[in-house]
Amino acid sequence: EAGVAQSPRYKIIEKRQSVAFWCNPISGHATLYWYQQILGQGPKLLIQFQNNGVVDDSQLPKDRFSAERLKGVDSTLKIQPAKLEDSAVYLCASSLVGGGIATNEKLFFGSGTQLSVL
Amino acid sequence: RKEVEQDPGPFNVPEGATVAFNCTYSNSASQSFFWYRQDCRKEPKLLMSVYSSGNEDGRFTAQLNRASQYISLLIRDSKLSDSATYLCVVNYYNNNDMRFGAGTRLTVKP
Repeated sequence: EAGVAQSPRYKIIEKRQSVAFWCNPISGHATLYWYQQILGQGPKLLIQFQNNGVVDDSQLPKDRFSAERLKGVDSTLKIQPAKLEDSAVYLCASSLVGGGIATNEKLFFGSGTQLSVL
Repeated sequence: RKEVEQDPGPFNVPEGATVAFNCTYSNSASQSFFWYRQDCRKEPKLLMSVYSSGNEDGRFTAQLNRASQYISLLIRDSKLSDSATYLCVVNYYNNNDMRFGAGTRLTVKP
């Protein structure tokens, strides 16, 4: 079974530039998450989708970050403009159900995109 | 208070030792809890769910204390391969909005 696919694997940009990350979840998974993991810290939830609707984006810095999940399958996360403090690994995860249903759903993570902002 | 808080570590233990990690969460209404493992430069992977009555999976035991809003993970007979960062995860608003702690790093030495 194919896992969660993310691209690119690495990205280096200068501050004030824009960047986009792409995620394709496991087929049939309704819920998709984007996390930001700064070195030495745990993953921070940025946004949670169920199908193509947003369940939680309370920790997404909306002045510069945006995300969409058109058609309820793959998703893109964009940063515009990037700041030095955005340097982190951006992890995408998916789960089978989730979003309004309290279940013990396992998260499956992609390998992440490592972003360096210079 | 942080949503999910863990022992900062690092924990450096010899092979065969028993080690315990703690985690507290701030939303008393949270209903489900997990431990994930993350190897260096890899993605997190589910280690085990945490059930109300406590649960065991081989050398790993997870406990939940709802009154104190506290979760623990006990590893017995540590192996070199247990070296990793252990992340406490809470289904914070019971909406499958999985919130992670900062992680506790474990190094098991020969």
